[in-house]
Amino acid sequence: AQSVTQLDSQVPVFEEAPVELRCNYSSSVSVYLFWYVQYPNQGLQLLLKYLSGSTLVKSINGFEAEFNKSQTSFHLRKPSVHISDTAEYFCAVTSAISGGYNKLIFGAGTRLAVHP
Amino acid sequence: DGGITQSPKYLFRKEGQNVTLSCEQNLNHDAMYWYRQDPGQGLRLIYYSQIVNDFQKGDIAEGYSVSREKKESFPLTVTSAQKNPTAFYLCASSWDRENQPQHFGDGTRLSIL
Repeated sequence: AQSVTQLDSQVPVFEEAPVELRCNYSSSVSVYLFWYVQYPNQGLQLLLKYLSGSTLVKSINGFEAEFNKSQTSFHLRKPSVHISDTAEYFCAVTSAISGGYNKLIFGAGTRLAVHP
Repeated sequence: DGGITQSPKYLFRKEGQNVTLSCEQNLNHDAMYWYRQDPGQGLRLIYYSQIVNDFQKGDIAEGYSVSREKKESFPLTVTSAQKNPTAFYLCASSWDRENQPQHFGDGTRLSIL
């Protein structure tokens, strides 16, 4: 069975400060990892994903996440946040085994609040 | 533009009433999903469908029903057997491959009158 733990339910930060949203997972098999962002009263949007290859993945709006297999982590970082980054962020994991149905497991979410 | 359309955005249900939430996608995706979102609990899977005319229960299927008669449509019925239906419901779709991300609609917020 797989699980995802987002270590912080809320992260307050000032505008232009750096931020890290932490995500740890547990799995007995290889995994694919995703970060999604949800703005108020909207659905989830894919922010970035790790499938294979380079362990550092980047989004078009300045976020990046690093897959660390030994620490089973996939933390999300941004060097300088904007007010518009205020949203809820979800980490998700699925099995990388082919065939059958691989359920996407979500963390409980981290609410990022950027203050001026 | 391709995407997923959920309707209505807000829905109210009376006690003992069934209600149906609509989900339509024009992405030509094989798989579709329904999730329930409650504050502080992330997303929980209600039902999923990997192909037309087939669907499977997720983690919290009790009190819900679905159908998948067309590839682009996956409606969810919240029945009177669901005792705590107030939540935000999200529909998603994806290609039926384990490395494919899911695409989400904008959700339907269901409340009890």
